[in-house]
Amino acid sequence: GDSVTQMEGPVTLSEEAFLTINCTYTATGYPSLFWYVQYPGEGLQLLLKATKADDKGSNKGFEATYRKETTSFHLEKGSVQVSDSAVYFCALSASGGSYIPTFGRGTSLIVHP
Amino acid sequence: EAGVAQSPRYKIIEKRQSVAFWCNPISGHATLYWYQQILGQGPKLLIQFQNNGVVDDSQLPKDRFSAERLKGVDSTLKIQPAKLEDSAVYLCASSLSGAGNQPQHFGDGTRLSIL
Repeated sequence: GDSVTQMEGPVTLSEEAFLTINCTYTATGYPSLFWYVQYPGEGLQLLLKATKADDKGSNKGFEATYRKETTSFHLEKGSVQVSDSAVYFCALSASGGSYIPTFGRGTSLIVHP
Repeated sequence: EAGVAQSPRYKIIEKRQSVAFWCNPISGHATLYWYQQILGQGPKLLIQFQNNGVVDDSQLPKDRFSAERLKGVDSTLKIQPAKLEDSAVYLCASSLSGAGNQPQHFGDGTRLSIL
């Protein structure tokens, strides 16, 4: 079946550091890929998405590139802020007939001033 | 636009009791999802509706969980009887359509504690 694997957290960084959160996937067909973010006390919200190979999704300074050859969708940000502290979820929606979503287990990011 | 509404926000019950959750999706969204999120894990899809039909319920424990979306708008998820391992946050989400490139919009969830 489809699956998403994210790096274990928590990831702890100082403000203005570079961020990478790794995400790899297994899916049939050509899935769409998503990053969702959950800020403390809030619901999940879409951060960015990519729907085909080599697409780059971007939002709020975050970027992720859909790499079909390595089945990866790593999240990056050049300079994190304290306000980026949250849990980040990588997800896919596979294209084998019905689009059934699959989520990773989430990676907690803690940014210190 | 109004977001996905869920109620209640919190629920505490004893094992073997029953409980129901309600979800009202964003207006015009055809697809509705119910997820179970256990602490420290990602959301696990329980059931996906397209209008009032079920697209997937392969991970729904059908001996105790049921869900309906009778008029293709709001939805209820029921657990009867509850077990200790059902303690989790239950999330509802909706999307404009079931197409794979459509993002989901999530409600704030219902935190269920089983004593």
